[in-house]
Amino acid sequence: AQTVTQSQPEMSVQEAETVTLSCTYDTSESDYYLFWYKQPPSRQMILVIRQEAYKQQNATENRFSVNFQKAAKSFSLKISDSQLGDAAMYFCAYNNAGNMLTFGGGTRLMVKP
Amino acid sequence: KAGVTQTPRYLIKTRGQQVTLSCSPISGHRSVSWYQQTPGQGLQFLFEYFSETQRNKGNFPGRFSGRQFSNSRSEMNVSTLELGDSALYLCASSLELTFQYEQYFGPGTRLTVT
Repeated sequence: AQTVTQSQPEMSVQEAETVTLSCTYDTSESDYYLFWYKQPPSRQMILVIRQEAYKQQNATENRFSVNFQKAAKSFSLKISDSQLGDAAMYFCAYNNAGNMLTFGGGTRLMVKP
Repeated sequence: KAGVTQTPRYLIKTRGQQVTLSCSPISGHRSVSWYQQTPGQGLQFLFEYFSETQRNKGNFPGRFSGRQFSNSRSEMNVSTLELGDSALYLCASSLELTFQYEQYFGPGTRLTVT
């Protein structure tokens, strides 16, 4: 069974600074998808960024980028120029077949003004 | 385009009762997945429906069931409620275009069992 681990329960970053959230996963599959979701206090899960395992190029969405290391089974999220609105729970998720996401335990990100 | 909607948003039930939650996917999305979120267990996959058929199922007891209608709307039912069923229940829909499996979530239904 696949597992996703987020080793940082909480992270803190100063506004306008850069922060990196870590995620590792375990799978025997070669084709899969990885996601980062953001869950603000409203509880609405928002898709931040997606990475296909067959793509070597790291995904980027505006201030959000990932560092995907397939051999190491690592998938970290970098948030640049952090904003107060970035404060939320961030979940790393794995999917290789069908719509069954396996989530990590989450990282609570706090942004200090 | 309207997002995923879930009703009701909040629900309080008594142990032993049953409950039905509803989810309307994004227009055109045929896949609906359900997840349970609790402080102790985190986010766990319940089941997925595609074209009115349950396609995948997570590791939950038979008290948890669901169905999907021809318009892709989905309901999940929990019978004989237990205190441990108190959770945020999230529904997500997917278009499955080019098998990208991006899921878009609704706001959730907060179920409290007393």
